[in-house]
Amino acid sequence: SQTIHQWPATLVQPVGSPLSLECTVEGTSNPNLYWYRQAAGRGLQLLFYSVGIGQISSEVPQNLSASRPQDRQFILSSKKLLLSDSGFYLCAWTENYEQYFGPGTRLTVT
Amino acid sequence: AQSVTQPDIHITVSEGASLELRCNYSYGATPYLFWYVQSPGQGLQLLLKYFSGDTLVQGIKGFEAEFKRSQSSFNLRKPSVHWSDAAEYFCAVDKFQTGANNLFFGTGTRLTVIP
Repeated sequence: SQTIHQWPATLVQPVGSPLSLECTVEGTSNPNLYWYRQAAGRGLQLLFYSVGIGQISSEVPQNLSASRPQDRQFILSSKKLLLSDSGFYLCAWTENYEQYFGPGTRLTVT
Repeated sequence: AQSVTQPDIHITVSEGASLELRCNYSYGATPYLFWYVQSPGQGLQLLLKYFSGDTLVQGIKGFEAEFKRSQSSFNLRKPSVHWSDAAEYFCAVDKFQTGANNLFFGTGTRLTVIP
């Protein structure tokens, strides 16, 4: 069966520091992968999606970037974090039009 | 542009009572519709989906939803709520972007269950 992993689970970073969040999927090949952000008390905002290795589409211009160095690996990065980058980051993959979500990473920028 | 509206930010129900969470969408055609549930600090779990066919769909945990094209709605229901149903519920629509299944989510409804 397929599983999706995210790490770290929680992260506290100062403003201006770099960021790297990792997502990996097991049990499937060539999945569509997604990064969402959920700000406190708000819904989910799609940040990036990828339909294959090296293929990244950005939904919202921002301080973040994404990369897909391997088929089942999706990385969310930032060179310099802003306070507004705080939130709950969720990775997801798709099968048969259904999206399956990872456990999330809670990022607090101080 | 597509949109999903969940008009109720927070709903409180008593355990054993019935539940209905509202979802309205704006889309040019019949979209693919989803309901997800999120427990505090957790990822999202798919409850049910509607693609086509029977407009009443059954999901996990005793939930069901009804697609009403005339009202552009996809409301979630449960006949008897359990304390474990306390969570945040999100309605979503597939944006049908080429090559990807990008979902557009509503802002969510937080459900509180009182004993």
